[in-house]
Amino acid sequence: QVQLVESGGDLVKPGGSLRLSCAASGFIFSDSYMTWIRQAPGKGLEWVSYISGSSDNTNYADSVKGRFTISRDNTKNSLYLQMNSLRAEDTAVYYCARMGTFDVWGQGTMVTVSS
Amino acid sequence: DIQMTQSPSTLSASVGDRVAITCRASQTISDWLAWYQQKPGKAPKLLIYKVSSLESGVPSRFSGSGSGTEFTLTISSLQPDDFATYYCQQYKSYSRTFGQGTKLEIK
Repeated sequence: QVQLVESGGDLVKPGGSLRLSCAASGFIFSDSYMTWIRQAPGKGLEWVSYISGSSDNTNYADSVKGRFTISRDNTKNSLYLQMNSLRAEDTAVYYCARMGTFDVWGQGTMVTVSS
Repeated sequence: DIQMTQSPSTLSASVGDRVAITCRASQTISDWLAWYQQKPGKAPKLLIYKVSSLESGVPSRFSGSGSGTEFTLTISSLQPDDFATYYCQQYKSYSRTFGQGTKLEIK
């Protein structure tokens, strides 16, 4: 079945780095734009970044631009989010989702930025 | 960036009630509007896309309407499973902004 599974969330100190992964199955991954969305504890949803199927088109929310990098490996059906210079306000559950409309979501992975 | 504003922020209702949640965009988004349902500890679930198209498997008591900048999610007869938080989202611009959410509570 169509599935997305995130991993890589952890507790990290301010200024640190983390790489999130999202493993896709059940659909033609290389044909799909993919996206990351986050949700701070008790807060709403915030779109973070997206990437085209061929990786030639990427975009970022202003809040993460210059610090986060989205990438993918279509040979591994995997999506990534490299997060650098992490701040306390980056603390959130991070979801990957299939774009167009966000019709398929992963279960989320928790990132906590704290000293 | 296109801002999305939902109202109300919280809605108290009873099983069997008809309820409506409104979403306003800061500029016209044509029909590029989706609605999601989220339950505690779970990922959001797509309910409606392109203003009024029901995602496969979503009960017909959910419906969407509107155009331009004003949109509405209506639940015709609330069921116990419907108590959750609902988000609208525009996908006209590349920054896929969400509304702040509407929490639907049991009265």
